[in-house]
Amino acid sequence: AQSVTQLDSQVPVFEEAPVELRCNYSSSVSVYLFWYVQYPNQGLQLLLKYLSGSTLVKGINGFEAEFNKSQTSFHLRKPSVHISDTAEYFCAVRGAGGYNKLIFGAGTRLAVHP
Amino acid sequence: DGGITQSPKYLFRKEGQNVTLSCEQNLNHDAMYWYRQDPGQGLRLIYYSQIVNDFQKGDIAEGYSVSREKKESFPLTVTSAQKNPTAFYLCASEGGDTQYFGPGTRLTVL
Repeated sequence: AQSVTQLDSQVPVFEEAPVELRCNYSSSVSVYLFWYVQYPNQGLQLLLKYLSGSTLVKGINGFEAEFNKSQTSFHLRKPSVHISDTAEYFCAVRGAGGYNKLIFGAGTRLAVHP
Repeated sequence: DGGITQSPKYLFRKEGQNVTLSCEQNLNHDAMYWYRQDPGQGLRLIYYSQIVNDFQKGDIAEGYSVSREKKESFPLTVTSAQKNPTAFYLCASEGGDTQYFGPGTRLTVL
């Protein structure tokens, strides 16, 4: 079975500053990893995913994440945030291959201030 | 325009009533999912279906029911047996090992 922990429930940051949202996972098998963003009263939008290949994954809206197998982490980063990045961000993990449930973290609320 | 639609966006229910939430997808995906989201929490899996005419219980299936008669459609019924149904409900479909989500339905019990 897999589990995922988002280390920060809230991250306040000023506009144009860099940001990192932290995600750690545990699994006894290979994994697929995902970051989703949710704006108020909306569904989840896929930001980026790691299935295989390069450990540095680039996504939409200037976000990127790095899969670190030794540290079992998949932290999300953006070099310069905008007010419009204010949202809830969810990290998710599933076992690779076959059918496996997608397990979500509790979410990190990113608040970008002017 | 491909995607996942959910209706209605907002739904109000009196205690003791059953209500059905709609989920439709035109992505030609085999697998579909229903999740429940409560404030300050991640998503919890209610039911999933990997193929037409087949579905399985997720982690919190009690008080809910589903059907999968067509590939495009996966409706969720919230029954009167669900003790605390007020929540945000999200439907997803899966392609290429990735789940894609609809816009959600917010259900409020009065």
